[in-house]
Amino acid sequence: SAVISQKPSRDICQRGTSLTIQCQVDSQVTMMFWYRQQPGQSLTLIATANQGSEATYESGFVIDKFPISRPNLTFSTLTVSNMSPEDSSIYLCSVERGQGASKTQYFGPGTRLLVL
Amino acid sequence: GENVEQHPSTLSVQEGDSAVIKCTYSDSASNYFPWYKQELGKRPQLIIDIRSNVGEKKDQRIAVTLNKTAKHFSLHITETQPEDSAVYFCAATLNNAGNMLTFGGGTRLMVKP
Repeated sequence: SAVISQKPSRDICQRGTSLTIQCQVDSQVTMMFWYRQQPGQSLTLIATANQGSEATYESGFVIDKFPISRPNLTFSTLTVSNMSPEDSSIYLCSVERGQGASKTQYFGPGTRLLVL
Repeated sequence: GENVEQHPSTLSVQEGDSAVIKCTYSDSASNYFPWYKQELGKRPQLIIDIRSNVGEKKDQRIAVTLNKTAKHFSLHITETQPEDSAVYFCAATLNNAGNMLTFGGGTRLMVKP
């Protein structure tokens, strides 16, 4: 498996502000992913973050709203910019472990964001 | 892209009974199908997965079956216990494309003692 931590674990923010979420992994990984889980809903992929390249965003998510950094193979950040109440969600990072056909994805504990 | 549908959205069973959750997927190229359990306020935890070269996999009280022709896979939990109560998510992906998982909508399982 993987030891994944996220900071902050939760936050309450005012609309119009921005929050940067950190994800730290206990060993080097190639692929890191950021998901959003709205209240009572499933997980939706925001973007894939590879070290040394621009993040790849899924339909409905844009870099201006969710800028991502991936400075090294154990760390990534997701910023939620110009927040509105609709951004209130759990934000989870995940990493891929294993090789070839044995790759598996593990999740961080999540960041619970409430925007007022 | 991939689309995963999951049924039922809620499931209530008596302790000791079996529970079955079903998922269908749209992309016939998908070859990896994990199941995650998410307890209230916790992260999704991988409980079992299956790859397209097998039709069934079992781990103690949990089993997953895969029908690639029909493009559906199912989670079976036998002898359910109250601690099995959680939200279960299925997912599907093509396992050589950065493993971008597409999740089903989730099933809230309640095991009544």
